[in-house]
Order: sequence, then C-alpha cells, then structure tokens
Amino acid sequence: GESVGLHLPTLSVQEGDNSIINCAYSNSASDYFIWYKQESGKGPQFIIDIRSNMDKRQGQRVTVLLNKTVKHLSLQIAATQPGDSAVYFCAETQGFQKLVFGTGTRLLVSP
Amino acid sequence: DAGVTQSPTHLIKTRGQHVTLRCSPISGHKSVSWYQQVLGQGPQFIFQYYEKEERGRGNFPDRFSARQFPNYSSELNVNALLLGDSALYLCASPGGRSTDTQYFGPGTRLTVL
Repeated sequence: GESVGLHLPTLSVQEGDNSIINCAYSNSASDYFIWYKQESGKGPQFIIDIRSNMDKRQGQRVTVLLNKTVKHLSLQIAATQPGDSAVYFCAETQGFQKLVFGTGTRLLVSP
Repeated sequence: DAGVTQSPTHLIKTRGQHVTLRCSPISGHKSVSWYQQVLGQGPQFIFQYYEKEERGRGNFPDRFSARQFPNYSSELNVNALLLGDSALYLCASPGGRSTDTQYFGPGTRLTVL
C-alpha cells in the first residue's frame, strides 16, 4: 500500500536533550524522503531531505537516517529547544511530486 | 522572494455551498499541488498541476476540482460542501534546485457548518 507511518504519536523531552523521531514507510520504490515540521495553525515547514542513494544526511542540529533494508527513517534533533515543539511528519515522494505523509509525531520540549 | 501564498486564511461555509481557494507558487515555478489536512492527521494529496495540466489526482470525489492559470497560480474548488470537508487546505510548490522538494504555504482553514 501507500502509507507512511510513525511509531510514536507523542514524544516528550527535556530542553537540551537529543530527540529521535521515527518513521516507517511501505513503498520500497520510493527514492526521496522529506521531514517537515508543523507548528499549530501553520503549513508544514521543510526541515531536511534525503535520497535513497544515501543513508545519512546532516543539517543544522538535525540528522536524517535512512535504512532501506527495513524501510525506516529517523530524524534526530540535537540539543532540543522549546522552539522545536511541533508536530513532525515524514513524507515520501510517489510519482511526480506527490507526497505521502504519515499522521505525525508531536514533540513536546519542557524547559 | 515570497514563498507559496494562499488566500483566504480562514473561511466559514455551510453545507451544500461551494468554495474557491487560491494559491500562487514560489516565483519561477510552474507546479502547484493541493493537499487536505484534517485535524490530527497528515496532509492528503488532492491534485497536482504542472504547466496548466493536471498531472496527478488523489482519492477525492468529483466535487473537488482545480485549475491552473497562465501565471501558474491555481484555484481549488469544492462543490456541495460536507461537514467532513472541514480541514486545512494546503498548497505546495517546488522552490529549490530540486523540483522534488515541496514547500508549503500557510494554508486555508475551511470550516463547514
């Protein structure tokens, strides 16, 4: 089928901790994946992407890991800050620019 | 440069009415995609337009339609509104060097009473 799921609906961390958000995808043919951050009442904001020919990509405080063997993505956020509190979605590209999203993980950061 | 723009921000309609939502892609890009996001769920793909032609359609009824204009802006139309059409409607366009990367607008919050 075409679904992108997330293992944990809510993740609570302390400020300064590292956060790991996980995602499973079902389409082994997908070759491009994006992580988005969505704050309440706003549109999804691009965080980082990765292609299937890579297994790791790093950005500013964020790292995405891709395990094609088990069809698993993860987003790691270093030194999590209260401003990181939001819902995080992974999405896979299927066809020409069509994104398939999961239901999201809510990240709560306590000061 | 402006990002993806959408209007209106909020809209309240009653069942049976129709609605038109508008979107402009990031300047210089010819593709627009529409998504519906029901509260508590991820966005669901509705349509994708490129150079004024429909390139993809999600699993939505014929009450949903869209079009793209010569300036690449787009309209999403929904007829015979149902309560279940209440959602955040998102528009996305490419914006970087890769056309695979989709950037979203702020969305239009539609409430059907």
